[in-house]
Amino acid sequence: QQQVKQSPQSLIVQKGGISIINCAYENTAFDYFPWYQQFPGKGPALLIAIRPDVSEKKEGRFTISFNKSAKQFSLHIMDSQPGDSATYFCAASSGGGADGLTFGKGTHLIIQP
Amino acid sequence: GAVVSQHPSWVICKSGTSVKIECRSLDFQATTMFWYRQFPKKSLMLMATSNEGSKATYEQGVEKDKFLINHASLTLSTLTVTSAHPEDSSFYICSAPIVNSYNEQFFGPGTRLTVL
Repeated sequence: QQQVKQSPQSLIVQKGGISIINCAYENTAFDYFPWYQQFPGKGPALLIAIRPDVSEKKEGRFTISFNKSAKQFSLHIMDSQPGDSATYFCAASSGGGADGLTFGKGTHLIIQP
Repeated sequence: GAVVSQHPSWVICKSGTSVKIECRSLDFQATTMFWYRQFPKKSLMLMATSNEGSKATYEQGVEKDKFLINHASLTLSTLTVTSAHPEDSSFYICSAPIVNSYNEQFFGPGTRLTVL
């Protein structure tokens, strides 16, 4: 599997601030890019996903920005809350999302009250 | 979102024994399910694709004879870790996609396997 590179590894944001996590990929066959949130000892929960035909998608406080030419995508969490403290994974797959996911290494996010 | 369950949530076994983990899609049918493995504080690694009615497809480096996968129905896939050893201890998580424009994959809660 081609690698998906995620940064930063860890992030500390003040309550109410914007959390930004970035990912980059190399495999141009990837056509589905989801973000997952994971709490310790739990399975990942789907937050938001995007296809390459759009440059931005927003759902509530979560926004994905996608740059096809740069092969990069990012997650923005607006008005970050302590409950958002978790590990976030970007992922990618081909086949319109029907194939298995290749995950980034994860970002440990801490929201300070 | 769709619901995917796993059973058991945790299991402890002795070295050399086999352990079966079940993955069920509760409110939708899944002709394909995926099995991932996650080590502590690490990312998820795709192990295999489970296909209803046909053989599973394994990722490079995953031993098919050690990790037996059976997709018995449109809502159930099982992963059997055969002759388990301490190095097989890990968090095993399954996912199932809903067939729509995004084929969104929903994950189960995971199964913590500890081999003594």
